[in-house]
Amino acid sequence: AQKITQTQPGMFVQEKEAVTLDCTYDTSDPSYGLFWYKQPSSGEMIFLIYQGSYDQQNATEGRYSLNFQKARKSANLVISASQLGDSAMYFCAMREDSTLTFGKGTMLLVSP
Amino acid sequence: NAGVTQTPKFQVLKTGQSMTLQCAQDMNHEYMSWYRQDPGMGLRLIHYSVGAGITDQGEVPNGYNVSRSTTEDFPLRLLSAAPSQTSVYFCASSRGTGTYEQYFGPGTRLTVT
Repeated sequence: AQKITQTQPGMFVQEKEAVTLDCTYDTSDPSYGLFWYKQPSSGEMIFLIYQGSYDQQNATEGRYSLNFQKARKSANLVISASQLGDSAMYFCAMREDSTLTFGKGTMLLVSP
Repeated sequence: NAGVTQTPKFQVLKTGQSMTLQCAQDMNHEYMSWYRQDPGMGLRLIHYSVGAGITDQGEVPNGYNVSRSTTEDFPLRLLSAAPSQTSVYFCASSRGTGTYEQYFGPGTRLTVT
């Protein structure tokens, strides 16, 4: 079974609108961390946001927020007020112990 | 700080050749790891290290070797390159496991013919 599932291969959004990228995870470990990374066409991996399994509040970083629903095992990324520069591949990842497992990613395209 | 550096950026190998992908970090991070990225597959963990002298296998370790003699360096060795190892390789480091963000190098694009 996949540990991280990103069901949206591609998403389209208009500039200035909000968009939600879905991520579900599977673990029996009570202690884990969830990450989102952005990979633009240039190829580098850019850290966006982190949520710990024991964190009571949803993480936020500027225009990024993580909608963490622990009982449903989901950790969706919400980007508010999309910008053209947000066009990129987005990866959800889960850390258990010493390993980080990535989903297959969602390609986001922002149109003017 | 240079962060995480990787060399080379591009490499073409013939089947059966061996080579070492270099990775270095100057942040005194204990944890380092290697991933490969293939189209449609996301990033998959090859090997990781939680400190100098300690390494362990990830999801796809076959055909690769690592060692960690210093905190700074974590080279990845391809023992006998195969076309299936054509991929983009990323090295990453973090202060530790758990909540710490991983910092990624720029990647090495490897083609095996």
